[in-house]
Amino acid sequence: NAGVTQTPKFQVLKTGQSMTLQCAQDMNHEYMSWYRQDPGMGLRLIHYSVGAGITDQGEVPNGYNVSRSTTEDFPLRLLSAAPSQTSVYFCASTLFNEQFFGPGTRLTVL
Amino acid sequence: SQQGEEDPQALSIQEGENATMNCSYKTSINNLQWYRQNSGRGLVHLILIRSNEREKHSGRLRVTLDTSKKSSSLLITASRAADTASYFCATESETNDYKLSFGAGTTVTVRA
Repeated sequence: NAGVTQTPKFQVLKTGQSMTLQCAQDMNHEYMSWYRQDPGMGLRLIHYSVGAGITDQGEVPNGYNVSRSTTEDFPLRLLSAAPSQTSVYFCASTLFNEQFFGPGTRLTVL
Repeated sequence: SQQGEEDPQALSIQEGENATMNCSYKTSINNLQWYRQNSGRGLVHLILIRSNEREKHSGRLRVTLDTSKKSSSLLITASRAADTASYFCATESETNDYKLSFGAGTTVTVRA
């Protein structure tokens, strides 16, 4: 099993550009989440999904969209990137309360 | 808003010593979890303790939970250089909805 994979590992955007961060898991987990991690802070929940076709907002959803067309994939879309979205983004899937994290995407918005 | 707060923010110890870090939280929980993050990597689940448990062990890890004080501690015994990492506590609310609230973490450095 590859576990949770994320692409790209690094990305630089200009203000106003849009992009999609990819997340996939091969463990058949229903629950998936997106977090952002900023220096000196813990992870903050952006969006989550309890299964295909179902998504909901977390603590910091503004500026981000998600979709869940399959159990495996949970992409995160930045609509119009802003410097405040410079962060490290982690995707996770959950089984029996334990979260499995991907390696992260380091995003810089200029 | 973040539910958990870890203390201390940073900890430096000698190899072989024990490391203890604490987590306090604000609202009632279903469970509390500890995760480790090595530099530049994703988080790795270490241990979960449920609200009706008081202590749990896993290898060199010992976790305690005091729901009356809304606090938890993580003890790493006989530390190794490989234990150098950031450690985060995360709480899941009573609704058991899998949504975790993370603290800011404790950075542990183990000196050889």
